[in-house]
Amino acid sequence: DVKVTQSSRYLVKRTGEKVFLECVQDMDHENMFWYRQDPGLGLRLIYFSYDVKMKEKGDIPEGYSVSREKKERFSLILESASTNQTSMYLCASSLTGVGTRDTQYFGPGTRLTVL
Amino acid sequence: DQQVKQNSPSLSVQEGRISILNCDYTNSMFDYFLWYKKYPAEGPTFLISISSIKDKNEDGRFTVFLNKSAKHLSLHIVPSQPGDSAVYFCAAKERGNKLVFGAGTILRVKS
Repeated sequence: DVKVTQSSRYLVKRTGEKVFLECVQDMDHENMFWYRQDPGLGLRLIYFSYDVKMKEKGDIPEGYSVSREKKERFSLILESASTNQTSMYLCASSLTGVGTRDTQYFGPGTRLTVL
Repeated sequence: DQQVKQNSPSLSVQEGRISILNCDYTNSMFDYFLWYKKYPAEGPTFLISISSIKDKNEDGRFTVFLNKSAKHLSLHIVPSQPGDSAVYFCAAKERGNKLVFGAGTILRVKS
């Protein structure tokens, strides 16, 4: 079974703090994704990566950055946390190739509250 | 502008009856569609999918129908069970690795 783990289930930070959210997958997937989930808005893509050291902006990258130094690990960084970044953050991974359908597998999520 | 829309925020169904969740999309370049299910405090889990070249895909109690001309897809759950109560997300894929998600529909199955 694919396993995607996220470093924290719940996190409380103060405005202006630098925040790191870590995600690890154990299935050698090339692609990794960071989303945020907000009520009424569904899942919105922040950043994704299709290879080590590669990254691409998603639909809402402002205020975020990412790092992918190893294939299994994808980090989301909030350089200076703000209250409007309070959200559920979801990491996902997928395999690329014929027949894989690019199905994404999700971690359990990190509920981040910025005070 | 939302490319994938789930216009019903919530749906309530009696146990044993059919649940129908709907999804509309605007981008004709989408070539693959997926449904995910999400319980509170858990990540979404893949449920069922359909290629744009098909109009129906079935897996046990779950069937997804695709109407390309109407840019509409639906998920049917028969019979509905209390354990099906969750948020259901419709997602669509363009060529490449990205998925575009709808806002989700909360399904409540009453026993």
